[in-house]
Amino acid sequence: AQKVTQAQTEISVVEKEDVTLDCVYETRDTTYYLFWYKQPPSGELVFLIRRNSFDEQNEISGRYSWNFQKSTSSFNFTITASQVVDSAVYFCALGGHGSGGSNYKLTFGKGTLLTVNP
Amino acid sequence: EPEVTQTPSHQVTQMGQEVILRCVPISNHLYFYWYRQILGQKVEFLVSFYNNEISEKSEIFDDQFSVERPDGSNFTLKIRSTKLEDSAMYFCASRGDLTGYTFGSGTRLTVV
Repeated sequence: AQKVTQAQTEISVVEKEDVTLDCVYETRDTTYYLFWYKQPPSGELVFLIRRNSFDEQNEISGRYSWNFQKSTSSFNFTITASQVVDSAVYFCALGGHGSGGSNYKLTFGKGTLLTVNP
Repeated sequence: EPEVTQTPSHQVTQMGQEVILRCVPISNHLYFYWYRQILGQKVEFLVSFYNNEISEKSEIFDDQFSVERPDGSNFTLKIRSTKLEDSAMYFCASRGDLTGYTFGSGTRLTVV
């Protein structure tokens, strides 16, 4: 069975602080994908990143960066110089082939509510 | 950029009524999904659909739920007799063979 753990339920920071959101996953699949989504108060799921299990390179996109460590089954997300607009719930998700088919359903963590205060 | 479109954005229905949630996936995508998010909770998988049939469903997806791709473009989720606990945000998603997931903006269903 697949599992995603986001141990931080809520994080509150002051604008311009750096913040890291943790994600730990469990899977028996050898090929899988990891995702981060942002859910603002309006409710939609905004795609941030997808990472293939074979690609452990860290990625940076503007103020966002991701640290994938297969050895610790973690895929952490860092926002540098946070802004009020970053306030949202952030979900980490794991997608795998499960029984070996092409189904590729996503298992989500419980999310981390990030509040950035001015 | 291609989008997954969901309608309606909000729906209020009375307990026991049937409701149909509609989704238009991205046109060249092959795999279709419904997910559910009860307010304040995580997003949960309901069902996946490929080649005109269900490929996997979760325990949540009981006999009250059904999915259909009636005309090659729409992808619908029907709840036959809604219960209060069906109140949630329902997300449709689609993906192609080599692409990632694209989620729709969701339908907020309120059962009263």
